[in-house]
Amino acid sequence: KAGVTQTPRYLIKTRGQQVTLSCSPISGHRSVSWYQQTPGQGLQFLFEYFSETQRNKGNFPGRFSGRQFSNSRSEMNVSTLELGDSALYLCASSSGRILGEQYFGPGTRLTVT
Amino acid sequence: GDSVTQMEGPVTLSEEAFLTINCTYTATGYPSLFWYVQYPGEGLQLLLKATKADDKGSNKGFEATYRKETTSFHLEKGSVQVSDSAVYFCALMSYSSASKIIFGSGTRLSIRP
Repeated sequence: KAGVTQTPRYLIKTRGQQVTLSCSPISGHRSVSWYQQTPGQGLQFLFEYFSETQRNKGNFPGRFSGRQFSNSRSEMNVSTLELGDSALYLCASSSGRILGEQYFGPGTRLTVT
Repeated sequence: GDSVTQMEGPVTLSEEAFLTINCTYTATGYPSLFWYVQYPGEGLQLLLKATKADDKGSNKGFEATYRKETTSFHLEKGSVQVSDSAVYFCALMSYSSASKIIFGSGTRLSIRP
């Protein structure tokens, strides 16, 4: 079974631009969660989608948004990029049958200059 | 709110040494507990889990026991290898935190040959 895939793996953007990251979950998984990982703040939960609906949301500004498609693929968008948005963005998928058992992708490394 | 505290790193050990990484948690109710590992340049992998008090999770020679009386989930391995060098994250998920995993700050482990 293929794992979680994220594209692109690396991205460099300029302040003020917007960016869209993509995540394809494991086949059959309907839950997709997004996390931001930085050296200073560690791993922070952004949001979770299940069957195209946002089910849970972390404490991030409205510049961070996401969506999920009918095939469970998910996208995350960040508008008006700031230097502090530089981070590794991790996507995780879950079948939802076992609480907390999530499978992570390799992440997208976003650098904002 | 729910939280996870794990020992500060980095931890440096010689090959075949005994490893302990301490983890304590604060949560309402009965959370599920996890250890995730992140190898250089990769996303997180679930290492082991425990879903109720006194459960012992184990995988790849690593073990951790869910201790409700001390709210702890310490990670141990009897004989570490160079290939165990990675960052280890203790985490929890509870019904009060809905579908989001709450991670500790991570402990970087380096094993000397």
